Amino acid sequence: SQKIEQNSEALNIQEGKTATLTCNYTNYSPAYLQWYRQDPGRGPVFLLLIRENEKEKRKERLKVTFDTTLKQSLFHITASQPADSATYLCALDGNTGGFKTIFGAGTRLFVKA
Amino acid sequence: DAGVTQSPTHLIKTRGQQVTLRCSPKSGHDTVSWYQQALGQGPQFIFQYYEEEERQRGNFPDRFSGHQFPNYSSELNVNALLLGDSALYLCASSLIDDDNEQFFGPGTRLTVL
Repeated sequence: SQKIEQNSEALNIQEGKTATLTCNYTNYSPAYLQWYRQDPGRGPVFLLLIRENEKEKRKERLKVTFDTTLKQSLFHITASQPADSATYLCALDGNTGGFKTIFGAGTRLFVKA
Repeated sequence: DAGVTQSPTHLIKTRGQQVTLRCSPKSGHDTVSWYQQALGQGPQFIFQYYEEEERQRGNFPDRFSGHQFPNYSSELNVNALLLGDSALYLCASSLIDDDNEQFFGPGTRLTVL
């Protein structure tokens, strides 16, 4: 069955460092992959979308890579700030004839001042 | 420009009851998707509506039904509530041709006792 894995353990980093979050998937051929941020008790907020024919995408301090051979995406936040502390969700949309978005469980990021 | 709005914000029901949740999409959006998010998990896709039709459905029983109105707003109905239906219910809106970038509402927290 289709599966998305994100680090279930929280990631703790020091302010100013680069945070790297991982999203791995199996039994899926996504047309594109998205990253969302979610704060406690709030709905997810869209951050970046990367298509299957793109290797890397950047937006301000954010960078996403997408390796369809490894079936993996990496999400980087450079010069991290305490305000970046949140849960980050990876989501896939596929070529498989459906339109549904499949989310991972998310990785909690804590940035310490 | 109002974003996605949902009502109510919180709801408490007992087992066996029925519930209706409401969503107004972001201005200009024509597609509404509903998700269920259990604590500590990623959002799980329930279904998506476009042009007042259910376009795609996730692995949810028929107790979950929905509707989209001509003004693109949507309702999620859940019948015969179970304790396991307790979750955050998220509505997301998008444009049908916009690579599925979704804008989420704040969610409705449903508690079933």
